[in-house]
Amino acid sequence: NAGVTQTPKFQVLKTGQSMTLQCAQDMNHEYMSWYRQDPGMGLRLIHYSVGAGITDQGEVPNGYNVSRSTTEDFPLRLLSAAPSQTSVYFCASMRANGNTIYFGEGSWLTVV
Amino acid sequence: AQTVTQSQPEMSVQEAETVTLSCTYDTSESDYYLFWYKQPPSRQMILVIRQEAYKQQNATENRFSVNFQKAAKSFSLKISDSQLGDAAMYFCACSSGTYKYIFGTGTRLKVLA
Repeated sequence: NAGVTQTPKFQVLKTGQSMTLQCAQDMNHEYMSWYRQDPGMGLRLIHYSVGAGITDQGEVPNGYNVSRSTTEDFPLRLLSAAPSQTSVYFCASMRANGNTIYFGEGSWLTVV
Repeated sequence: AQTVTQSQPEMSVQEAETVTLSCTYDTSESDYYLFWYKQPPSRQMILVIRQEAYKQQNATENRFSVNFQKAAKSFSLKISDSQLGDAAMYFCACSSGTYKYIFGTGTRLKVLA
Protein backbone atom coordinates (compact mmCIF):
# COMPACT_ATOMS: atom_id res chain seq x y z
CA ASN A 1 0.00 0.00 0.00
CA ALA A 2 2.84 2.39 -0.94
CA GLY A 3 0.94 5.28 -2.59
CA VAL A 4 3.34 8.19 -3.22
CA THR A 5 6.93 7.58 -2.13
CA GLN A 6 9.54 10.33 -1.81
CA THR A 7 13.26 9.96 -1.23
CA PRO A 8 15.31 11.15 0.50
CA LYS A 9 13.35 12.28 3.54
CA PHE A 10 16.16 14.54 4.79
CA GLN A 11 19.02 16.14 2.88
CA VAL A 12 21.60 18.82 3.59
CA LEU A 13 23.26 20.44 0.59
CA LYS A 14 25.97 23.02 0.15
CA THR A 15 25.27 26.08 -1.95
CA GLY A 16 25.91 25.30 -5.60
CA GLN A 17 25.48 21.55 -5.33
CA SER A 18 22.91 19.74 -7.43
CA MET A 19 20.63 16.94 -6.39
CA THR A 20 17.48 15.05 -7.35
CA LEU A 21 14.45 14.42 -5.18
CA GLN A 22 12.83 11.19 -6.25
CA CYS A 23 9.09 10.60 -6.40
CA ALA A 24 7.26 7.42 -7.37
CA GLN A 25 3.61 6.46 -7.26
CA ASP A 26 2.07 3.03 -7.74
CA MET A 27 -1.53 4.09 -8.35
CA ASN A 28 -1.19 4.59 -12.12
CA HIS A 29 -2.08 8.26 -11.71
CA GLU A 30 -1.68 10.46 -14.75
CA TYR A 31 -1.14 13.69 -12.86
CA MET A 32 1.90 14.34 -10.67
CA SER A 33 3.20 17.51 -9.11
CA TRP A 34 5.82 19.00 -6.81
CA TYR A 35 5.11 21.57 -4.12
CA ARG A 36 7.30 23.40 -1.68
CA GLN A 37 6.14 24.44 1.75
CA ASP A 38 7.61 27.45 3.49
CA PRO A 39 6.53 29.04 6.80
CA GLY A 40 3.55 31.35 6.34
CA MET A 41 3.24 30.61 2.63
CA GLY A 42 1.33 27.36 2.43
CA LEU A 43 2.12 24.98 -0.41
CA ARG A 44 3.28 26.45 -3.70
CA LEU A 45 3.30 24.54 -6.97
CA ILE A 46 6.74 24.14 -8.56
CA HIS A 47 6.12 21.89 -11.59
CA TYR A 48 3.46 19.46 -12.65
CA SER A 49 2.86 16.77 -15.24
CA VAL A 50 -0.39 15.55 -16.76
CA GLY A 51 1.18 12.42 -18.24
CA ALA A 52 4.39 10.75 -19.36
CA GLY A 53 6.42 13.09 -21.53
CA ILE A 54 4.41 16.18 -20.54
CA THR A 55 5.53 18.71 -17.93
CA ASP A 56 4.67 22.31 -17.18
CA GLN A 57 5.64 25.08 -14.79
CA GLY A 58 3.76 26.02 -11.67
CA GLU A 59 4.00 29.15 -9.51
CA VAL A 60 7.67 28.90 -8.49
CA PRO A 61 9.62 26.91 -11.13
CA ASN A 62 12.92 28.81 -11.15
CA GLY A 63 15.91 26.72 -10.09
CA TYR A 64 14.14 23.40 -10.62
CA ASN A 65 13.86 20.92 -13.47
CA VAL A 66 11.54 17.97 -13.89
CA SER A 67 11.02 15.14 -16.34
CA ARG A 68 8.36 12.46 -16.70
CA SER A 69 9.71 9.51 -18.65
CA THR A 70 7.30 7.03 -17.05
CA THR A 71 3.85 7.24 -15.47
CA GLU A 72 5.26 6.17 -12.12
CA ASP A 73 8.21 8.52 -11.64
CA PHE A 74 8.52 12.30 -11.43
CA PRO A 75 11.95 13.42 -10.16
CA LEU A 76 12.67 17.02 -9.16
CA ARG A 77 16.17 18.31 -9.89
CA LEU A 78 17.84 21.22 -8.16
CA LEU A 79 20.40 22.49 -10.61
CA SER A 80 22.53 24.68 -8.34
CA ALA A 81 21.18 24.74 -4.80
CA ALA A 82 20.66 28.08 -3.06
CA PRO A 83 19.77 28.81 0.58
CA SER A 84 16.39 30.13 -0.67
CA GLN A 85 15.57 26.57 -1.68
CA THR A 86 15.64 25.40 1.93
CA SER A 87 12.14 24.05 2.33
CA VAL A 88 9.94 21.00 2.71
CA TYR A 89 9.09 19.46 -0.64
CA PHE A 90 5.98 17.42 -1.34
CA CYS A 91 5.28 15.22 -4.30
CA ALA A 92 1.64 14.50 -5.11
CA SER A 93 -0.38 12.53 -7.62
CA MET A 94 -3.94 12.37 -8.87
CA ARG A 95 -5.77 10.34 -11.48
CA ALA A 96 -7.11 12.01 -14.59
CA ASN A 97 -10.71 13.15 -14.11
CA GLY A 98 -10.18 12.71 -10.41
CA ASN A 99 -10.24 15.46 -7.86
CA THR A 100 -8.45 14.12 -4.80
CA ILE A 101 -4.71 14.57 -4.61
CA TYR A 102 -2.46 12.15 -2.74
CA PHE A 103 0.70 13.41 -1.07
CA GLY A 104 4.02 11.84 -0.28
CA GLU A 105 5.42 12.25 3.22
CA GLY A 106 7.65 15.19 2.34
CA SER A 107 11.37 15.77 1.90
CA TRP A 108 13.20 18.18 4.19
CA LEU A 109 15.94 20.01 2.30
CA THR A 110 18.44 22.36 3.91
CA VAL A 111 20.88 24.35 1.80
CA VAL A 112 23.83 25.83 3.72
CA ALA B 1 -6.36 32.88 -11.54
CA GLN B 2 -7.38 31.00 -8.43
CA THR B 3 -6.68 32.32 -4.96
CA VAL B 4 -7.33 30.88 -1.52
CA THR B 5 -7.20 33.03 1.60
CA GLN B 6 -7.05 31.89 5.21
CA SER B 7 -7.14 34.98 7.38
CA GLN B 8 -6.58 33.23 10.73
CA PRO B 9 -2.91 32.31 11.21
CA GLU B 10 -3.68 30.67 14.55
CA MET B 11 -6.75 29.55 16.49
CA SER B 12 -7.23 27.98 19.90
CA VAL B 13 -10.07 25.83 21.18
CA GLN B 14 -10.79 24.15 24.47
CA GLU B 15 -10.98 20.37 24.39
CA ALA B 16 -14.57 19.18 23.69
CA GLU B 17 -15.56 22.60 22.35
CA THR B 18 -16.34 23.62 18.76
CA VAL B 19 -14.13 25.74 16.53
CA THR B 20 -14.58 27.16 13.04
CA LEU B 21 -11.73 27.83 10.64
CA SER B 22 -12.34 30.34 7.86
CA CYS B 23 -11.44 30.18 4.19
CA THR B 24 -12.37 32.33 1.22
CA TYR B 25 -11.50 31.57 -2.36
CA ASP B 26 -11.75 33.02 -5.81
CA THR B 27 -11.95 31.17 -9.09
CA SER B 28 -13.32 31.88 -12.54
CA GLU B 29 -14.18 28.21 -13.07
CA SER B 30 -17.75 27.04 -12.74
CA ASP B 31 -16.71 23.49 -11.87
CA TYR B 32 -14.31 23.19 -8.96
CA TYR B 33 -13.64 21.37 -5.73
CA LEU B 34 -12.76 22.61 -2.28
CA PHE B 35 -10.77 20.76 0.36
CA TRP B 36 -9.53 20.96 3.89
CA TYR B 37 -6.24 19.23 4.68
CA LYS B 38 -4.77 18.58 8.11
CA GLN B 39 -1.01 18.64 8.63
CA PRO B 40 0.16 17.34 12.03
CA PRO B 41 3.75 17.86 13.25
CA SER B 42 4.83 14.87 11.15
CA ARG B 43 4.07 17.10 8.10
CA GLN B 44 1.95 14.41 6.48
CA MET B 45 -0.92 15.94 4.47
CA ILE B 46 -4.20 14.31 5.46
CA LEU B 47 -7.45 14.96 3.61
CA VAL B 48 -10.12 15.99 6.11
CA ILE B 49 -13.09 16.82 3.92
CA ARG B 50 -14.01 17.57 0.31
CA GLN B 51 -16.80 19.62 -1.25
CA GLU B 52 -17.92 19.61 -4.86
CA ALA B 53 -18.95 23.10 -5.92
CA TYR B 54 -22.02 21.85 -7.78
CA LYS B 55 -23.43 20.29 -4.61
CA GLN B 56 -25.48 22.56 -2.40
CA GLN B 57 -25.39 20.21 0.56
CA ASN B 58 -22.55 20.84 2.97
CA ALA B 59 -20.09 17.96 3.33
CA THR B 60 -19.67 16.25 6.70
CA GLU B 61 -17.19 13.68 7.97
CA ASN B 62 -17.87 12.64 11.55
CA ARG B 63 -16.89 15.61 13.75
CA PHE B 64 -15.87 17.71 10.74
CA SER B 65 -18.32 19.70 8.65
CA VAL B 66 -18.15 22.61 6.26
CA ASN B 67 -20.22 25.70 5.67
CA PHE B 68 -20.07 26.23 1.92
CA GLN B 69 -21.40 29.61 0.78
CA LYS B 70 -20.94 29.60 -2.97
CA ALA B 71 -22.12 33.14 -3.66
CA ALA B 72 -19.84 34.53 -0.97
CA LYS B 73 -17.00 32.19 -2.03
CA SER B 74 -16.60 31.07 1.53
CA PHE B 75 -15.69 27.57 2.75
CA SER B 76 -15.30 27.29 6.52
CA LEU B 77 -14.46 24.15 8.50
CA LYS B 78 -16.23 23.37 11.75
CA ILE B 79 -14.67 20.92 14.17
CA SER B 80 -17.04 19.69 16.87
CA ASP B 81 -16.05 18.06 20.16
CA SER B 82 -12.43 19.06 19.61
CA GLN B 83 -9.80 16.52 20.64
CA LEU B 84 -6.13 16.90 21.46
CA GLY B 85 -5.33 14.98 18.27
CA ASP B 86 -6.99 17.71 16.21
CA ALA B 87 -4.08 20.05 16.94
CA ALA B 88 -2.37 20.68 13.60
CA MET B 89 -2.02 23.06 10.68
CA TYR B 90 -5.13 23.15 8.53
CA PHE B 91 -4.96 24.10 4.88
CA CYS B 92 -7.84 25.07 2.65
CA ALA B 93 -7.43 24.27 -1.05
CA CYS B 94 -9.24 24.79 -4.32
CA SER B 95 -8.94 22.68 -7.45
CA SER B 96 -10.46 23.18 -10.87
CA GLY B 97 -10.25 21.14 -14.05
CA THR B 98 -6.69 22.25 -14.70
CA TYR B 99 -5.41 19.79 -12.08
CA LYS B 100 -3.82 22.65 -10.20
CA TYR B 101 -4.44 22.74 -6.50
CA ILE B 102 -4.10 26.17 -4.91
CA PHE B 103 -3.57 26.22 -1.15
CA GLY B 104 -4.13 28.85 1.48
CA THR B 105 -1.39 29.81 3.91
CA GLY B 106 -2.80 27.65 6.68
CA THR B 107 -4.29 28.03 10.16
CA ARG B 108 -2.52 26.55 13.15
CA LEU B 109 -5.05 25.03 15.53
CA LYS B 110 -4.16 24.60 19.18
CA VAL B 111 -6.34 22.42 21.40
CA LEU B 112 -6.21 23.26 25.09
CA ALA B 113 -6.71 20.53 27.68
